[in-house]
Amino acid sequence: SAVISQKPSRDICQRGTSLTIQCQVDSQVTMMFWYRQQPGQSLTLIATANQGSEATYESGFVIDKFPISRPNLTFSTLTVSNMSPEDSSIYLCSVEDNTEAFFGQGTRLTVV
Amino acid sequence: AQSVTQLDSQVPVFEEAPVELRCNYSSSVSVYLFWYVQYPNQGLQLLLKYLSGSTLVKGINGFEAEFNKSQTSFHLRKPSVHISDTAEYFCAVSEAPGTYKYIFGTGTRLKVLA
Repeated sequence: SAVISQKPSRDICQRGTSLTIQCQVDSQVTMMFWYRQQPGQSLTLIATANQGSEATYESGFVIDKFPISRPNLTFSTLTVSNMSPEDSSIYLCSVEDNTEAFFGQGTRLTVV
Repeated sequence: AQSVTQLDSQVPVFEEAPVELRCNYSSSVSVYLFWYVQYPNQGLQLLLKYLSGSTLVKGINGFEAEFNKSQTSFHLRKPSVHISDTAEYFCAVSEAPGTYKYIFGTGTRLKVLA
């Protein structure tokens, strides 16, 4: 199993600013995933982050808005750029181990 | 493309009663199926998964699910619920063998009443 730590757990941000979310895993993993969970909705995959290469973004998500770093096999960051109230969501980091996905506690972001 | 449908957005049930949370999926290829639980202000935790083999899968906390290929369903059941089972439950599918991309349903909020 994998233990994932996300920081911050929550934040309230002004529109137009950016927030960087950190994700630390207790073991080395090839791929890390970032999801968004909008209020009252399900999880939507934002992007897949591989170490040493650019992240792969899903339809509807772009690197300029959600830049991702993956400097090593245990760490990744997601930045939510130029935020608007529509970005208010829970952002979750995830890894997969033996066909099971493990999730961080999530970062609850509120944009005002 | 794959999709997951959870028809019930909310399910209220009295404590110690049985419950079934419904999940249907569509896919043109073989899939793996999962149920996750999300307690308030927490991340997701795996309840159970179906990869292959027996269609009846047992998970944690007394939950089980049955894979029905002909009906493309993977309904979650528990014979007797507890107050502590109050949470959001998500059904998810991924392509088999794993592509590491999960498609989640919209979730079912289970509320257990005293």
